[in-house]
Amino acid sequence: QITLKESGPTLVTPTQTLTLTCTFSGFSLSTSGVGVGWIRQPPGKALEWLALIYWNDDKRYSPSLKSRLTITQDTSKNQVVLTLTNMGPVDTATYYCAHITYDFWSGYFGGFDYWGQGNLVTVSS
Amino acid sequence: DIQMTQSPSSLSASVGDRVTITCRASQSISSYLNWYQHKPGKAPKLLIYTASSLQSGVPSRFSGGGSGTDFTLTIGSLQPEDFATYYCQHSYSTPYTFGQGTKLEIK
Repeated sequence: QITLKESGPTLVTPTQTLTLTCTFSGFSLSTSGVGVGWIRQPPGKALEWLALIYWNDDKRYSPSLKSRLTITQDTSKNQVVLTLTNMGPVDTATYYCAHITYDFWSGYFGGFDYWGQGNLVTVSS
Repeated sequence: DIQMTQSPSSLSASVGDRVTITCRASQSISSYLNWYQHKPGKAPKLLIYTASSLQSGVPSRFSGGGSGTDFTLTIGSLQPEDFATYYCQHSYSTPYTFGQGTKLEIK
């Protein structure tokens, strides 16, 4: 059974760095073909793809946020960590982590099939 | 980046209706298109992957189609639990962008 859970602050002051941890079970990020991504949703707005880390430690970022984002993994702890620097009010959102699988036959990922419950982060002084 | 455009942005329908939501990609994404259902306070739920494959556990009234740039999500007979916001998302090349969402409301 695959589960993911986000943890981190609920309130961040402007200019601070946000650090969110995704703790998962039921799979290993060292298994070929596995990925974990981060997605966010500002209040009343659409889902936004942020970053993805692959089983081989390859990483991909949203171009609009690339300079501020870092995604890392701790395989021994079954965790993926997302950091977002220089937080501002526009970064107020629910942040989700999610599991994704690579299809080696097609050479592409499928959809995010397992999601965490989300972590609402508010940026305010 | 590949842009995803959904239509309509909102839709009112009744229980038992058949509804179709459209998603258009700004360039060809082959069949690498996924659909999600999202309810307030809950995590998004994967319904359809690679355009037409039904995710395990998802009712068969949900179906997807299309390839290239134009895709559809059809709900065959709306049930009360289907009223939610639906998103398309491509997985052709990063960033795996989402559409802006379609809010399905009860008429």
